[in-house]
Amino acid sequence: KQEVTQIPAALSVPEGENLVLNCSFTDSAIYNLQWFRQDPGKGLTSLLLIQSSQREQTSGRLNASLDKSSGRSTLYIAASQPGDSATYLCAVTQGGKLIFGQGTELSVKP
Amino acid sequence: SAVISQKPSRDICQRGTSLTIQCQVDSQVTMMFWYRQQPGQSLTLIATANQGSEATYESGFVIDKFPISRPNLTFSTLTVSNMSPEDSSIYLCSLVTGLGMNTEAFFGQGTRLTVV
Repeated sequence: KQEVTQIPAALSVPEGENLVLNCSFTDSAIYNLQWFRQDPGKGLTSLLLIQSSQREQTSGRLNASLDKSSGRSTLYIAASQPGDSATYLCAVTQGGKLIFGQGTELSVKP
Repeated sequence: SAVISQKPSRDICQRGTSLTIQCQVDSQVTMMFWYRQQPGQSLTLIATANQGSEATYESGFVIDKFPISRPNLTFSTLTVSNMSPEDSSIYLCSLVTGLGMNTEAFFGQGTRLTVV
């Protein structure tokens, strides 16, 4: 059974820092991996999608990597801003379904 | 990308009542998905809603408690029936675009339900 784990559960950083969020999964037979952002009490916004054949994807200050063989993905956020404060979720697609991690709650202090 | 309009965005309901959540999509999709996110938890898939057939429920979820309608390819509803405080959660609808490795998931804005 696929299990997705995110570390750390919470992270607080001062504005301007670069940071890395981690996601690991137990079964490498995935179609793709997706990173989402969730603001409190709201829905999910798709940030980056990495297909299983890809190693990384970039969008603005965000860079996501995927190492399928080791079951790991990282989300790198450069020059963090207070507006980046949210919960970040990773999810793998397997068997037509999304399996989510527990999320990392990020707080960026001005 | 896809645009999903979900409503209501939040509601406070009395125990024993039912709430119907609606999702409207800006394009035709074969499958829509309904998730529950309990306080402090990640997302759990409730069911997959297929147009023209019965929804497929995940383990632990039943049709009597969470009836789903899918009258056409752009619309779906989830009803939370006979609510109790334990049903207080965020409910989200979702769709997937593309095929195989190219699939990408999109979500509605969520419905924050509080049962008192």
